[in-house]
Amino acid sequence: GAGVSQSPSNKVTEKGKDVELRCDPISGHTALYWYRQSLGQGLEFLIYFQGNSAPDKSGLPSDRFSAERTGGSVSTLTIQRTQQEDSAVYLCASSLTGWGYSNQPQHFGDGTRLSIL
Amino acid sequence: GDSVTQMEGPVTLSEEAFLTINCTYTATGYPSLFWYVQYPGEGLQLLLKATKADDKGSNKGFEATYRKETTSFHLEKGSVQVSDSAVYFCALSAGGTSYGKLTFGQGTILTVHP
Repeated sequence: GAGVSQSPSNKVTEKGKDVELRCDPISGHTALYWYRQSLGQGLEFLIYFQGNSAPDKSGLPSDRFSAERTGGSVSTLTIQRTQQEDSAVYLCASSLTGWGYSNQPQHFGDGTRLSIL
Repeated sequence: GDSVTQMEGPVTLSEEAFLTINCTYTATGYPSLFWYVQYPGEGLQLLLKATKADDKGSNKGFEATYRKETTSFHLEKGSVQVSDSAVYFCALSAGGTSYGKLTFGQGTILTVHP
């Protein structure tokens, strides 16, 4: 079956522009996570969705970052007024459920490589 | 807060050598532990997991045992192959109000030479 799909795979944009990153999780997975992978910070959690709600947004680094999920499926991560420090690989993962469960493995997409000029 | 510490890399081995990558963790409660692998040019893949103390996860010849007394989850393989060259990440998920989010170690680069 289809895995987690992310688009675009690469995005180059100028500082100050807004960007949208898309994640299409595995069908039937109610939990969706966004992570960021950068050279200096490693892999960092950004936000967690259970269905369409986001009970944990604690990893979003600033109010320039926002995310939404619709129909319990596709999620969009938006970065406004991009800065050079936003350059990283943004990873999306999904699992059957996250609520109260620690043992569900997460399935990752290939990521979006974001470069801010 | 929760944290994961992996041994410093990079690790360079010859084919058929024994591999150990150390991983220790700090967490409240009873986390689940995972090893993820990232092959060159690919995304993160789950390698193995263990969900309670003394559980052993295994896959593709790799093994790791959940040791609560030493808060460790070291990855081992008896005989590595060139195709095992990748970045390996140890991770934990504390469940409960952490909603299953993963806390990762910094990653260990493994290079295996023929």
